[in-house]
Amino acid sequence: DGGITQSPKYLFRKEGQNVTLSCEQNLNHDAMYWYRQDPGQGLRLIYYSQIVNDFQKGDIAEGYSVSREKKESFPLTVTSAQKNPTAFYLCASSYQPEKLFFGSGTQLSVL
Amino acid sequence: QKEVEQDPGPLSVPEGAIVSLNCTYSNSAFQYFMWYRQYSRKGPELLMYTYSSGNKEDGRFTAQVDKSSKYISLFIRDSQPSDSATYLCASGAGSYQLTFGKGTKLSVIP
Repeated sequence: DGGITQSPKYLFRKEGQNVTLSCEQNLNHDAMYWYRQDPGQGLRLIYYSQIVNDFQKGDIAEGYSVSREKKESFPLTVTSAQKNPTAFYLCASSYQPEKLFFGSGTQLSVL
Repeated sequence: QKEVEQDPGPLSVPEGAIVSLNCTYSNSAFQYFMWYRQYSRKGPELLMYTYSSGNKEDGRFTAQVDKSSKYISLFIRDSQPSDSATYLCASGAGSYQLTFGKGTKLSVIP
């Protein structure tokens, strides 16, 4: 089955710790994205990548980092610099910028 | 001013009702208009995609765009309990950065 796989489904972070969220796609899409969703809020773009080895900051990139070494993978690291990391994180990919295919999300919480 | 405004609801309707969901946008550069459906704790899925003003129909769903008034609508006919979800409108100007509304939570009561 083609799709986007995010893992883990739930993740807990201790203060001062970096954590990495995984995102893998087998849709052969060039573009991949990371969004953050807070309760009652719309999706906010953290980072996006149009092609391998290239990525751009979105609206709320501070405290996050990404890499795009393979077409299929776009991991997101939430660093200790992100002081309010509790949120639902969504990874997406697309062949056309307006038609996003989303994963099932990772809920990150702070211990 | 947020570029896409959407009433968060919640909206509760009886099964079989016609549902109207609405958004307004402020950026005249927006050319693409989308509706995504998101079930609780799941990723959104693309429901409707339109490029120009006018109506687009897909089964029980109709998306309507009025660029002159910067108004986006989604109509659901013969609503079903399985339509209960949060509906997100989104707009884009042809770049990789879409702007999403906050979402409207819909409940269809059997």
